[in-house]
Amino acid sequence: GDSVTQMEGPVTLSEEAFLTINCTYTATGYPSLFWYVQYPGEGLQLLLKATKADDKGSNKGFEATYRKETTSFHLEKGSVQVSDSAVYFCALSDPAGTYKYIFGTGTRLKVLA
Amino acid sequence: KAGVTQTPRYLIKTRGQQVTLSCSPISGHRSVSWYQQTPGQGLQFLFEYFSETQRNKGNFPGRFSGRQFSNSRSEMNVSTLELGDSALYLCASSLAGGHEQFFGPGTRLTVL
Repeated sequence: GDSVTQMEGPVTLSEEAFLTINCTYTATGYPSLFWYVQYPGEGLQLLLKATKADDKGSNKGFEATYRKETTSFHLEKGSVQVSDSAVYFCALSDPAGTYKYIFGTGTRLKVLA
Repeated sequence: KAGVTQTPRYLIKTRGQQVTLSCSPISGHRSVSWYQQTPGQGLQFLFEYFSETQRNKGNFPGRFSGRQFSNSRSEMNVSTLELGDSALYLCASSLAGGHEQFFGPGTRLTVL
């Protein structure tokens, strides 16, 4: 079945470091891909999305490119801030029309000042 | 535009009781999905409703049920609560299934 695999956390970085969180997926069709962020005590917020191959989603300095050939959607940011500390979830929308999202397990990011 | 709201935000129940959680989607959104989030299992899909019909269900026992009303508001019910039901329950709405979802803040359920 469809699945999403994220790198295990936690990821600890110093402020202004470069961030990469890996995400790969398995899907039979052509899903839409998403990154969500969850701050402590809150629900998930959509960070960025891509709906077709080679699309690049971007928001708040974060970027991710839909790579069909490698079935990946890695999240990157050039210079992280302490305020980026959160849990990041990669997700795909089920292309088979069953109307559910499939989420990765989440990667906790901690940025130190 | 108001976001997704969930009530109550916190609940404490004892084993064997039942609980009902409520979710009000963003105005105009017709799809509502529910998720259970726990430290051990991560984010797990419970079910999705669209226009008062359940279109998909995750792998949860029948103690977990839901419904959606004509105004798109949704409720989920858990009967005969177990300790393992302690979790953050998240509701998400979207214009239609498969589109980007907008999440509420969640209801934190603690079962004692």
